[in-house]
Amino acid sequence: GESVGLHLPTLSVQEGDNSIINCAYSNSASDYFIWYKQESGKGPQFIIDIRSNMDKRQGQRVTVLLNKTVKHLSLQIAATQPGDSAVYFCAETPSGNQFYFGTGTSLTVIP
Amino acid sequence: GAGVSQSPSNKVTEKGKDVELRCDPISGHTALYWYRQSLGQGLEFLIYFQGNSAPDKSGLPSDRFSAERTGGSVSTLTIQRTQQEDSAVYLCASSLGLGYYEQYFGPGTRLTVT
Repeated sequence: GESVGLHLPTLSVQEGDNSIINCAYSNSASDYFIWYKQESGKGPQFIIDIRSNMDKRQGQRVTVLLNKTVKHLSLQIAATQPGDSAVYFCAETPSGNQFYFGTGTSLTVIP
Repeated sequence: GAGVSQSPSNKVTEKGKDVELRCDPISGHTALYWYRQSLGQGLEFLIYFQGNSAPDKSGLPSDRFSAERTGGSVSTLTIQRTQQEDSAVYLCASSLGLGYYEQYFGPGTRLTVT
């Protein structure tokens, strides 16, 4: 089966600092990657995505980096805020039909 | 507009009973997905629908699990003869269609099997 894993299960950062959340994936055929944010008691919320033909994509305060050589994905959050505290999941899909999610990293922002 | 809704939000059932979980996708979304999330875990893909058809049911954990979608809208996930290991949050998501990768998730149904 698919395997999408995260390097760190928990991450604590000071408010205002930058956060980096990492993700490793195993399927070389995956061509689309997504980061989701899940707050307690809610469903995951789309943050940002990237296609395999790109190595970097920026959004509002977030940047996703993709290194296909080592099958590594990262999410960078600039100027982390208390509202960023949540569990972050990476997901991959080789086909656009089935999506494979990692275990998640719990981000805690310290005021 | 309205997002994805799921009902019930919480369900407690006795082992061996059948349960039905419901998902109302965003209007106009033709693709619908079911996931299972165990405590502290990632999302486990179960099944997806394009319209009313589910091309691949291999993600369903056992033959006690089934899902259907009628009218291209509401979907139900049925678990027969529930077991304690079925306890989890069941999440539904919808998207504009296959190939539209942004999925919109509902709040989930927390199932507890006692």
